[in-house]
Amino acid sequence: ETGVTQTPRHLVMGMTNKKSLKCEQHLGHNAMYWYKQSAKKPLELMFVYNFKEQTENNSVPSRFSPECPNSSHLFLHLHTLQPEDSALYLCASSLGDGTGGTDTQYFGPGTRLTVL
Amino acid sequence: GQSLEQPSEVTAVEGAIVQINCTYQTSGFYGLSWYQQHDGGAPTFLSYNALDGLEETGRFSSFLSRSDSYGYLLLQELQMKDSASYFCAVRDSDYKLSFGAGTTVTVRA
Repeated sequence: ETGVTQTPRHLVMGMTNKKSLKCEQHLGHNAMYWYKQSAKKPLELMFVYNFKEQTENNSVPSRFSPECPNSSHLFLHLHTLQPEDSALYLCASSLGDGTGGTDTQYFGPGTRLTVL
Repeated sequence: GQSLEQPSEVTAVEGAIVQINCTYQTSGFYGLSWYQQHDGGAPTFLSYNALDGLEETGRFSSFLSRSDSYGYLLLQELQMKDSASYFCAVRDSDYKLSFGAGTTVTVRA
């Protein structure tokens, strides 16, 4: 399997549920990212991990909790979400070796989350 | 804060040329990237400009003027498969991209 994969692809949850999104990259990259994409809005960076260490938390509410057990896996744990959290959640990875250049980000297909 | 402006929608016919402009105001600047996203799909990388000038990759070209904080993506010989959203993004630190809201390009027969 190649590239960046995300599971589940679709998720419907109630406001009191707890669920987790999973992302896996098979590219040998060092940096992984969570983004939120809402209609007609820019992609919002949520979290950045580089070499398993969190380097960015973009003022994300505590009801979103990331976990990066190794450079290939990234989770987003969800609890007591609000309806306005419904969106497409995208995971991405990049080489992240700090040498400059494009550091192109490779995106997974996303998880379409609906909070009822 | 970070700010990237691009048009929300563009419509053109097959075979035409479309230019998508992007102006930015960011705290740092390492380069301007463009990503394409088809409906229901993942964003995919198209091009990157770190220095002023034009970069050409097949039917797509990207331009950057750092002094004007401005860039554009040029789509030539439009095809139906080019119907998608196009995002400009500024790399403003080692590991961070700030994205524009996207331009939806609709190609008509």
